[in-house]
Amino acid sequence: TQLLEQSPQFLSIQEGENLTVYCNSSSVFSSLQWYRQEPGEGPVLLVTVVTGGEVKKLKRLTFQFGDARKDSSLHITAAQPGDTGLYLCAGSLSGGYNKLIFGAGTRLAVHP
Amino acid sequence: DAGVIQSPRHEVTEMGQEVTLRCKPISGHDYLFWYRQTMMRGLELLIYFNNNVPIDDSGMPEDRFSAKMPNASFSTLKIQPSEPRDSAVYFCASTPTGSSGANVLTFGAGSRLTVL
Repeated sequence: TQLLEQSPQFLSIQEGENLTVYCNSSSVFSSLQWYRQEPGEGPVLLVTVVTGGEVKKLKRLTFQFGDARKDSSLHITAAQPGDTGLYLCAGSLSGGYNKLIFGAGTRLAVHP
Repeated sequence: DAGVIQSPRHEVTEMGQEVTLRCKPISGHDYLFWYRQTMMRGLELLIYFNNNVPIDDSGMPEDRFSAKMPNASFSTLKIQPSEPRDSAVYFCASTPTGSSGANVLTFGAGSRLTVL
């Protein structure tokens, strides 16, 4: 059983559509991060959220941290083929403790 | 900065052989992590070091796995003897101490290991 559950596992959409992926846990995290991984490469950090209820925007990507700091969502507006990849959430269980736990990821394919 | 550098990028070996994976972290980063990624289990933390000292090796699967960090610029992950179930992509990542407690990991490109 994963400490961080991501859904959906797979998502295949057309260019221009909107989508939301989710990261849920029963544990409270001091911070949560989202990474994107492309084939043959390591994950690359997109954003870190620290405060419950926090919302961060990165161009067409909107990240939200749940009020209770147990869950997070990533919303992509007008998806483009360049958004294709594996989206991973990762949580840190306590502040200052440098151990990130990763979810299994959502594999997104955006078709032209 | 060249980022986190891992070698080899690809390794194919036969069951029972020793495998050594190498990592050079980003200069000035005092934390180094080894992760393993498979389709079935996703990204699993194997071990991490702080200032060259192993802090948590609870993710190391069994005694066949060992990791060392002899200095701040080099780490190895060794599997001896290797087994087919060890086939995976092994990632090294590093980070400096985060002032807010939120750590920004920089990953290498990974070493894809296939054990026949």
